[in-house]
Amino acid sequence: KNEVEQSPQNLTAQEGEFITINCSYSVGISALHWLQQHPGGGIVSLFMLSSGKKKHGRLIATINIQEKHSSLHITASHPRDSAVYICAVGGADGLTFGKGTHLIIQP
Amino acid sequence: GAGVSQSPSNKVTEKGKDVELRCDPISGHTALYWYRQSLGQGLEFLIYFQGNSAPDKSGLPSDRFSAERTGGSVSTLTIQRTQQEDSAVYLCASSSGLAGGYNEQFFGPGTRLTVL
Repeated sequence: KNEVEQSPQNLTAQEGEFITINCSYSVGISALHWLQQHPGGGIVSLFMLSSGKKKHGRLIATINIQEKHSSLHITASHPRDSAVYICAVGGADGLTFGKGTHLIIQP
Repeated sequence: GAGVSQSPSNKVTEKGKDVELRCDPISGHTALYWYRQSLGQGLEFLIYFQGNSAPDKSGLPSDRFSAERTGGSVSTLTIQRTQQEDSAVYLCASSSGLAGGYNEQFFGPGTRLTVL
């Protein structure tokens, strides 16, 4: 079974700061997902990637398949980015999830 | 153009009662997944369907849990003789193409189950 580790578990930063959330997994995969969950809200898929880098607005996700590691970056962070960010790895059936990173961006 | 819908949004039940949770996937999505998110815990995979078939039920927490999907669309997750530890948010997701982690999954809003 794949083990997914995220760091940090909690992160508080000031508006405008550059944010990095890390994810490591133990078994080789075909795809890695980054998800966002707002308090009391549903889960939204941010990225699905299997190699290299993807960018969407202020969000950037990278993956290194050899090192079994992915990072999610947020540039020019804003209070509305406050949420739980979850890394998940794809397998033959469903997803295996990290425990999430609780991000708070203070104005 | 609706997304994944789930019902009910909230369910409060007494210990020992049976509950049924429903998921309506995005039209045309052949793969459907059930997950559980317990308070203070991460997301946990329960079961997936490819069409109407669920090849692997080993993710279900106990034999009190069962799931079915009919017509390649709506799915029902049934919990019999509910226990307090079953209290959680139950999430459904769907994706196009083959089941697995290789396709983007679209999540429903979840059903918050509270067992008193």
